[in-house]
Amino acid sequence: DTGVSQDPRHKITKRGQNVTFRCDPISEHNRLYWYRQTLGQGPEFLTYFQNEAQLEKSRLLSDRFSAERPKGSFSTLEIQRTEQGDSAMYLCASSPPRDYTGELFFGEGSRLTVL
Amino acid sequence: GQNIDQPTEMTATEGAIVQINCTYQTSGFNGLFWYQQHAGEAPTFLSYNVLDGLEEKGRFSSFLSRSKGYSYLLLKELQMKDSASYLCAAVDSNYQLIWGAGTKLIIKP
Repeated sequence: DTGVSQDPRHKITKRGQNVTFRCDPISEHNRLYWYRQTLGQGPEFLTYFQNEAQLEKSRLLSDRFSAERPKGSFSTLEIQRTEQGDSAMYLCASSPPRDYTGELFFGEGSRLTVL
Repeated sequence: GQNIDQPTEMTATEGAIVQINCTYQTSGFNGLFWYQQHAGEAPTFLSYNVLDGLEEKGRFSSFLSRSKGYSYLLLKELQMKDSASYLCAAVDSNYQLIWGAGTKLIIKP
């Protein structure tokens, strides 16, 4: 088990470009979360999947953000027409089924810098 | 509304003891987590409390009082590698984590 992996680890882009991040959760985990974190803040919830179903999406997520988990395994987070305010660490986390504690297993994150 | 409060920053000396407090207000409550996060890295699990009382795990202990909406993380025999941010997160009625902003702990020699 290699844990949760995210790709790319770092992305630098110009304002207005589209970016896509990928997350591969731990294989037996059916729940997958995306968070955004800026310096000095805790993780900010973006969206949540149970298997391939997107069950919750933060109201903070504008229509420029979209996430998919088509086969219930890996997930992608796409940001269209990036803005400088999108610069942050994007964290993916997963958790196993029948785990009622809510413990999350985080990936290393994808750091986005928008110039 | 849902809210987690913890101090922004704390400083302690190597070898000493430090207590990081967290108060929470959530819609429903299904436990409280403490995570450690080193700069530029992902959060890693430290502890989970759902019942009142103290849970001890090596140099780290976590305490919960459900009636007071209060928890603390106690770190003993501080080491330089303990310099990190410590995140408090409460589990609400939907089993979603509500995160605090984190407490940056600075350890001085």
